[in-house]
Amino acid sequence: SQTIHQWPATLVQPVGSPLSLECTVEGTSNPNLYWYRQAAGRGLQLLFYSVGIGQISSEVPQNLSASRPQDRQFILSSKKLLLSDSGFYLCAWSSKGNQPQHFGDGTRLSIL
Amino acid sequence: AQSVSQHNHHVILSEAASLELGCNYSYGGTVNLFWYVQYPGQHLQLLLKYFSGDPLVKGIKGFEAEFIKSKFSFNLRKPSVQWSDTAEYFCAVNARGATNKLIFGTGTLLAVQP
Repeated sequence: SQTIHQWPATLVQPVGSPLSLECTVEGTSNPNLYWYRQAAGRGLQLLFYSVGIGQISSEVPQNLSASRPQDRQFILSSKKLLLSDSGFYLCAWSSKGNQPQHFGDGTRLSIL
Repeated sequence: AQSVSQHNHHVILSEAASLELGCNYSYGGTVNLFWYVQYPGQHLQLLLKYFSGDPLVKGIKGFEAEFIKSKFSFNLRKPSVQWSDTAEYFCAVNARGATNKLIFGTGTLLAVQP
């Protein structure tokens, strides 16, 4: 069966520091991969999605970037974190086509 | 641009009460519709989905939703809620296409009192 792993679960970082959140999927190949940010009262906002290795689409302009160095690995990064980057970040995968997305456990990121 | 509206932000019910959570979307083309649920301390998981066919779809744990195309709605229902249904519920839509991008509503926090 397919599984999705996200780490770390929680992270506290100072303003201006770099960021790297990792997401890996097992049990499937060539998935679509997604990064979302969830804010209280604002639902989930799609940040990036990828349909294949090295293919990244950005949905909203921001201080973050994403990379997909391997088929089942999706990384969310920043060179210099801002206070506004605080939030709950979710990774998700789906099969090709209009299939349901499956979510990881999320990373709670706090910027001090 | 596509958008999803969930009108009930916070709902409090007693056990055995009936539930209906509203969801409306705006998009002129063909859509797929989803309800996701996030139980306290757990990851987001799929409750039910509508792709085509019978507009009344059944999901897990006794939930159902009805797609009314003329009203652009996909309301979630359950005849009798339980304390274990306490969770946050998200409606989501995607336009049929290759990228499968989901647009989420802002969520409804349901608290069921025993």
